[in-house]
Amino acid sequence: RKEVEQDPGPFNVPEGATVAFNCTYSNSASQSFFWYRQDCRKEPKLLMSVYSSGNEDGRFTAQLNRASQYISLLIRDSKLSDSATYLCVVPRPGGYNKLIFGAGTRLAVHP
Amino acid sequence: EAQVTQNPRYLITVTGKKLTVTCSQNMNHEYMSWYRQDPGLGLRQIYYSMNVEVTDKGDVPEGYKVSRKEKRNFPLILESPSPNQTSLYFCASSRDMNTEAFFGQGTRLTVV
Repeated sequence: RKEVEQDPGPFNVPEGATVAFNCTYSNSASQSFFWYRQDCRKEPKLLMSVYSSGNEDGRFTAQLNRASQYISLLIRDSKLSDSATYLCVVPRPGGYNKLIFGAGTRLAVHP
Repeated sequence: EAQVTQNPRYLITVTGKKLTVTCSQNMNHEYMSWYRQDPGLGLRQIYYSMNVEVTDKGDVPEGYKVSRKEKRNFPLILESPSPNQTSLYFCASSRDMNTEAFFGQGTRLTVV
């Protein structure tokens, strides 16, 4: 089992739709989680950090379910500009000093 | 402006010809790392550095070297590049493991 797994998509949704992505992680000791956004072949940029049960920023909501070991990202009222790949990132706990990246979920928002 | 700068952005080279990809950050971050990104595999860590003169292997270190002589710079060295090192490379820096990582714009390397 991969340390961090994401549904690769693509998710094709119309403008205005609500879409949710899930990310599962294997190490129950993980404490912090991140969602990064990556536009085509550009550098990833931080979208949201999740340290407790969840986080909300405008149209974006991240939720953490420790019991089931997954993090979700919900995007409401999708915009064309939301089209990108969303990366789930989990620091490997135990002092390994490594960030583990999911392979990413691709979102395509169409008119 | 806070940034991570990688050079070059694009490079085509031949098998066996040593090359260096530079990375520099202006945020006084202690933690820096190199990743490669391949289709379907996501970003995989090559090497990382916790501070000056402190480096360690990531998950895919074979064929790569790094150095951290100064806090701001973290070059990636390919002593003898091979075609399987054709990839998109990113350098990143952060204050520590649990804070935002800032990425360079990427280096697209092709080894023929």
